[in-house]
Amino acid sequence: EVVLTQSPATLSLSPGERATLSCRASQSVANHLAWYQQKPGQAPRLLIYDASNRATGIPARFSGSGSGTDFTLTISSLEPEDFAVYFCQQRNTAPETFGQGTKVEVK
Amino acid sequence: QVRLQESGPGLVKPSETLSLTCSVSGDSIYNNYWGWFRQPPGKKLEWIGWIYSSGDVNYNPSLKSRVTISVDTSKDQYSLKLTSMSAADTAVYYCARYFNARSRHYVDVWGNGTTVSVSS
Repeated sequence: EVVLTQSPATLSLSPGERATLSCRASQSVANHLAWYQQKPGQAPRLLIYDASNRATGIPARFSGSGSGTDFTLTISSLEPEDFAVYFCQQRNTAPETFGQGTKVEVK
Repeated sequence: QVRLQESGPGLVKPSETLSLTCSVSGDSIYNNYWGWFRQPPGKKLEWIGWIYSSGDVNYNPSLKSRVTISVDTSKDQYSLKLTSMSAADTAVYYCARYFNARSRHYVDVWGNGTTVSVSS
C-alpha cells in the first residue's frame, strides 16, 4: 500500500504567519491527493482534493500543490481557527491511505 | 445540510462482533458511495471500506476477512460489522460520504465519530 509521510510532525507558528506542510508518497499517486483539517473531538474537514482544488466553502488562504510523490499544503496567513492537525490522503491506489498528520500549534 | 450519525456500542468484549450503524440525513443514500474509517488512539486514520447504494462494496485487504458493510436504503442507513474484535480494534470509528470529484471520489462529509473500546 502507499505510505504517506508528512513533515514536520509539529509546526509552531504565530497567527498571520505562513504555514507550509509537506506530504510525500512512497510511490506516485498522480494528483489524487486530498488534505483534511481536524480539530480535537471533531470530525475531519475536507480542504483540498485532487492536490489543488479547494473544497466548497474553504477560504482562499488554503492552497495545495504538487503531483506524483510530493505535495504541499500552504496556509498563506494563519487565522486563530487554523491551529489544528492536518493530514493528507491518497485516492490513487487501493487501499486509500492517510498520512500521520502535522499539528499546527500556536508559537 | 448532510448529516451522518454513527450509533452502536461503546464497549465490545474481545472476540465479539462490533456492529455500527450510520444514519444519513439531508441527502439521498442512492447514487452515493458511503464509507467507514477508524482512528486508533494516537494513530493515523485507516480506511475500512465503502459501499455504493447498489450494494457494491470494497474493503481494506488488511480487514477484509473480518468486515461486512451493508446498506438499508429504506432506512437511509448503512452498517458495519467487524468480527473477532481485539484490543487493536479500539478506535474512533467514523462513517463518511464520498463525493464525485470526477477524477476520483473523496470524502467530504464525516460523522462525528463513535469511540469503541475492546475490553473484557
